[in-house]
Amino acid sequence: GAVVSQHPSRVICKSGTSVKIECRSLDFQATTMFWYRQFPKKSLMLMATSNEGSKATYEQGVEKDKFLINHASLTLSTLTVTSAHPEDSSFYICSARGQADYEQYFGPGTRLTVT
Amino acid sequence: GQNIDQPTEMTATEGAIVQINCTYQTSGFNGLFWYQQHAGEAPTFLSYNVLDGLEEKGRFSSFLSRSKGYSYLLLKELQMKDSASYLCAVQDSNYQLIWGAGTKLIIKP
Repeated sequence: GAVVSQHPSRVICKSGTSVKIECRSLDFQATTMFWYRQFPKKSLMLMATSNEGSKATYEQGVEKDKFLINHASLTLSTLTVTSAHPEDSSFYICSARGQADYEQYFGPGTRLTVT
Repeated sequence: GQNIDQPTEMTATEGAIVQINCTYQTSGFNGLFWYQQHAGEAPTFLSYNVLDGLEEKGRFSSFLSRSKGYSYLLLKELQMKDSASYLCAVQDSNYQLIWGAGTKLIIKP
């Protein structure tokens, strides 16, 4: 099956710093990548959808200047949390979908802790 | 608006059968997914239904009725490792996934 990786798996950063999370599709070309956030004991919340080579589409309530998404190639998308604050601490999950595919393949997730 | 409903929590006994229901109201329909998520991990794919009927895959089966906006996930011969959250998600007309809040399944010995 298709494999999606995320790096890092865990990151702890200080308040005010920026953190970049990478999402890679290892064995297929991901024309669309999705970034989700999950709060404890709650379902996944879609943050943004990105198509390769174009600007990401952000969901209502998600600050595009705070959560910078780049999808520069068909195998890599990055999420940068800028000027992180403790309330940004969460589990961030990416998923990727190929052009002729109905299924989204999920990355393993990144746990961000902002101190 | 778009809405996915599933029970918050269910408890079942090891070796038994449990059915987790999901009802949905979405803008368009391009399939319904069931995912399993263990605490602290990303969801893993269990099943995909786009046509009415029952799809069986080992101990897990998933059923869909598009006219009723209803699906269920059936887990047989429950094992302790099946303790997890089960997420129902519907792909809408834009092929985005609309997620339910998940059902936490607790398996007791």
